[in-house]
Amino acid sequence: KAGVTQTPRYLIKTRGQQVTLSCSPISGHRSVSWYQQTPGQGLQFLFEYFSETQRNKGNFPGRFSGRQFSNSRSEMNVSTLELGDSALYLCASSLTGQAGNTIYFGEGSWLTVV
Amino acid sequence: DQQVKQNSPSLSVQEGRISILNCDYTNSMFDYFLWYKKYPAEGPTFLISISSIKDKNEDGRFTVFLNKSAKHLSLHIVPSQPGDSAVYFCAANRYGQNFVFGPGTRLSVLP
Repeated sequence: KAGVTQTPRYLIKTRGQQVTLSCSPISGHRSVSWYQQTPGQGLQFLFEYFSETQRNKGNFPGRFSGRQFSNSRSEMNVSTLELGDSALYLCASSLTGQAGNTIYFGEGSWLTVV
Repeated sequence: DQQVKQNSPSLSVQEGRISILNCDYTNSMFDYFLWYKKYPAEGPTFLISISSIKDKNEDGRFTVFLNKSAKHLSLHIVPSQPGDSAVYFCAANRYGQNFVFGPGTRLSVLP
């Protein structure tokens, strides 16, 4: 069974640009969540989608947004990029996203903002 | 306000010995806990979980212990192997909420 797939793996953007990251969850998983990891920090929760609806949201500015499609694939978008947005962005999927459901991570997308 | 804490940023253990990684949480409503291992440039890999109705869960060399009254959980790795060298994250959630992760502990297993 294929794992969580994230694209692209690596990208470099200029300050002020926008970026879109993509995530394909494990087949059958309907919950997709996104996390940001910066050097020295743990995983900071961005948002979670279930059945195309945002169910939970972390404490990030409105420049960070996401969506989920009917096939459970998800995208996240960051607009007006800042240097501090340089990070590893991780997507995770689970069956329902509820307690008792393990979440499984993709390899991540490394974003560098210059 | 860190709801999940891993107070040891790093830990070094000799190969073959026991590694004990600790995690503390502040939210008594958390009812499901996970441990992940992360190598550089890779996504976290799920290791083991425990629900709040248990106080111990074992899977091969990995055992997780949960002390609800102390709001503390620990991951024991026995015996430790060089391939266990990685960053370990604990995570917790409650029904309907997202997982909250600790900052991680870097484990180095010395040959």
